[in-house]
Amino acid sequence: EDKVVQSPLSLVVHEGDTVTLNCSYEVTNFRSLLWYKQEKKAPTFLFMLTSSGIEKKSGRLSSILDKKELFSILNITATQTGDSAIYLCAVEAGSNYKLTFGKGTLLTVNP
Amino acid sequence: NAGVTQTPKFQVLKTGQSMTLQCAQDMNHNSMYWYRQDPGMGLRLIYYSASEGTTDKGEVPNGYNVSRLNKREFSLRLESAAPSQTSVYFCASRRGGAFETQYFGPGTRLLVL
Repeated sequence: EDKVVQSPLSLVVHEGDTVTLNCSYEVTNFRSLLWYKQEKKAPTFLFMLTSSGIEKKSGRLSSILDKKELFSILNITATQTGDSAIYLCAVEAGSNYKLTFGKGTLLTVNP
Repeated sequence: NAGVTQTPKFQVLKTGQSMTLQCAQDMNHNSMYWYRQDPGMGLRLIYYSASEGTTDKGEVPNGYNVSRLNKREFSLRLESAAPSQTSVYFCASRRGGAFETQYFGPGTRLLVL
């Protein structure tokens, strides 16, 4: 059974802090790892990672994948209150490209 | 483009009632998915349709049925709703093939009393 574990499950920080969110996985026939941001509605796509060691970056957010150790991290620098959300990690696997999601990390950024 | 749309946005049912959640996408995507999201549980796959004319069970299919009506539409039916099916339901679609992402609809909030 495919498994995705995120940590921490919740995190409270102050504006300006840097945070690191973790995602580990055990899946059969790995294809990619994805990060989504969810703010009370539908998840919105952040990154897709397929190769080890190649950092994906978008503004203050960045992510990297380690396929040997089976984990990924999502970094957010200089956090803002607008970064408050649930961050979901999902792994795509198999011939039908199904996603298995972790439980998510609830990030709260206080002013 | 509207992307992925879902109806209704919110629904209250009594135990034993039936209903169908509708999902449509206008991106000409091949694959469509139904998920449920419960507090602290992430998203769990109920059913998916890899292409028009095919459907398969996901992680939590019990109590649900699906129909891929055509390439655009994928409906989820609860034949006899139970309180355990109280959840937020998301539909998603994907073009197909490698290096593509899933796009999510706005969700349907379902309360079963």
